Amino acid sequence: TQLLEQSPQFLSIQEGENLTVYCNSSSVFSSLQWYRQEPGEGPVLLVTVVTGGEVKKLKRLTFQFGDARKDSSLHITAAQTGDTGLYLCAGALQTGANNLFFGTGTRLTVIP
Amino acid sequence: SQTIHQWPATLVQPVGSPLSLECTVEGTSNPNLYWYRQAAGRGLQLLFYSVGIGQISSEVPQNLSASRPQDRQFILSSKKLLLSDSGFYLCAWRLQGASNQPQHFGDGTRLSIL
Repeated sequence: TQLLEQSPQFLSIQEGENLTVYCNSSSVFSSLQWYRQEPGEGPVLLVTVVTGGEVKKLKRLTFQFGDARKDSSLHITAAQTGDTGLYLCAGALQTGANNLFFGTGTRLTVIP
Repeated sequence: SQTIHQWPATLVQPVGSPLSLECTVEGTSNPNLYWYRQAAGRGLQLLFYSVGIGQISSEVPQNLSASRPQDRQFILSSKKLLLSDSGFYLCAWRLQGASNQPQHFGDGTRLSIL
């Protein structure tokens, strides 16, 4: 079983639409990260959230960490074709932990 | 600036053959190093991580092993590959003791077992 479950697994939308990706767990995390990965490449960090209830914005992307630090969401406004990719959440169970637990991934396709 | 190199980019090997994938990091010292395997379009499964030379933690029992002979070198090996070892292997590094710092990934190795 996966510690972090992402939904939806696949998402295909038209350019200009809004979308939300969810990352859920029954465990509490000290911090949570979101990565985007393009085919044939490694994931690249988008954001790190560390405080329950925290909201961070990165241009058209809004990230929220749940109040209980068990879940997170990624909202994209007015999606563009360049947003296409695999989105991964990853959490650290403890401050200073050596490893991350990665989510199951959400494959986003933005259609022009 | 720091860089991470992983090779080869693709590899086709017969069942039962040995494996050696190499990963090196430049521009940083004493990093944490990681090997992951990724199924197509899915999340990452942590295989091994290392916090120092000769220190290897194994997360999943399997047919693979890892070694860290030098501070910035991490090697993934197998004596006899299985069909189930096929996948996309990613190496990553991170600063020590900073769980909220990013992991920086290489471009991966696509391994196909025939």
